[in-house]
Amino acid sequence: AQKITQTQPGMFVQEKEAVTLDCTYDTSDQSYGLFWYKQPSSGEMIFLIYQGSYDEQNATEGRYSLNFQKARKSANLVISASQLGDSAMYFCAMREFNTGTASKLTFGTGTRLQVTL
Amino acid sequence: KAGVTQTPRYLIKTRGQQVTLSCSPISGHRSVSWYQQTPGQGLQFLFEYFSETQRNKGNFPGRFSGRQFSNSRSEMNVSTLELGDSALYLCASSSNIGAVLDYTFGSGTRLTVV
Repeated sequence: AQKITQTQPGMFVQEKEAVTLDCTYDTSDQSYGLFWYKQPSSGEMIFLIYQGSYDEQNATEGRYSLNFQKARKSANLVISASQLGDSAMYFCAMREFNTGTASKLTFGTGTRLQVTL
Repeated sequence: KAGVTQTPRYLIKTRGQQVTLSCSPISGHRSVSWYQQTPGQGLQFLFEYFSETQRNKGNFPGRFSGRQFSNSRSEMNVSTLELGDSALYLCASSSNIGAVLDYTFGSGTRLTVV
């Protein structure tokens, strides 16, 4: 069964520093996608970055990059040059493409990031 | 381009009542998925609709149901509300089943059952 594990309930980082949020996953599907979302206190889920299982390059989107290590089944999010506005919950999620559940996302438990001055 | 619109934003209901939540997808999006978010269970998939048909269902009791209209707007209904149904309900829309990069969430409806 598909599973996402985020082992860091909370993280602190100083403004302008980089931070890595950990995510490991488990799936028997060969075709899958990994997502990171940001959820501020308002509740909306904001898409940050996506990595497909067949993508050879690590995904990057501005200050966000995804460190994809397929053999280790990890998909860590790296935020460079943290800003106060980055303080939020961060969720790692996975979608399997070959199991007939194409649009279903499975989420991890999230990491609460606090950026300090 | 308007985003995914969920109404109402907040809702308070009494145990035993029923509730209907609405989700209007981004124009042109035909797939709508629903999720429940609680502190205890986290984010869990409820169901997905495409072309007015339920395509996928999560592991929730039959008290949770949904439907999709011809304009792709979707509603979910919870009957006989329980305290444990208090949650943030999120919907997401996409252009097609399995579409990845246009999968967009709304701001959610926060339901409190008292």
